[in-house]
Amino acid sequence: GAGVSQSPSNKVTEKGKDVELRCDPISGHTALYWYRQSLGQGLEFLIYFQGNSAPDKSGLPSDRFSAERTGGSVSTLTIQRTQQEDSAVYLCASSPRIGGGTPTYTDTQYFGPGTRLTVL
Amino acid sequence: QKEVEQNSGPLSVPEGAIASLNCTYSDRGSQSFFWYRQYSGKSPELIMSIYSNGDKEDGRFTAQLNKASQYVSLLIRDSQPSDSATYLCAVTGGNQFYFGTGTSLTVIP
Repeated sequence: GAGVSQSPSNKVTEKGKDVELRCDPISGHTALYWYRQSLGQGLEFLIYFQGNSAPDKSGLPSDRFSAERTGGSVSTLTIQRTQQEDSAVYLCASSPRIGGGTPTYTDTQYFGPGTRLTVL
Repeated sequence: QKEVEQNSGPLSVPEGAIASLNCTYSDRGSQSFFWYRQYSGKSPELIMSIYSNGDKEDGRFTAQLNKASQYVSLLIRDSQPSDSATYLCAVTGGNQFYFGTGTSLTVIP
């Protein structure tokens, strides 16, 4: 079956421009995570959606970052007024969790291929 | 600030040897622990998950968890060149997964 897909795969933009990154999770997965991975670094949590619950936005680095998830499926991460330090690979992951609360060992996250963002 | 620490490596082992990857975490309340493998230019894929003290084996992989020492490890037996990748340790806290920066493993033929 289809995995998590992300688009675009690569995005080059100029400093100060807005960008939108898209994530299509695996059908039926209720949980969706956005991460950022800078070169040589680990994954930095950005935001978490679980079903119809309010998202956990505690990882967003600034108010220039926002995300939404429409109809409990597709998610869009928007970065306004991009800065050079925003350059990274943005990864989306989905999980078949039912209900909220602390993730458990049964919550396998399936990652998309990522979007490589370069801000010039 | 919840932290997950890993030795960045690189770790090099000969083909057929045992590779040992280690991870420590700061949050004593963490309940679930994961090892992901990430090939260069690719996204992470889950190898193992473990949530209780002791060992969990899956094929050539063994995860070991010691909550008292806040330590989780991954052993890869009979290492193969195809195991060469970066291995990420992840720990849960709240709604979040906290990832280490990864250990780069190279298996030398």
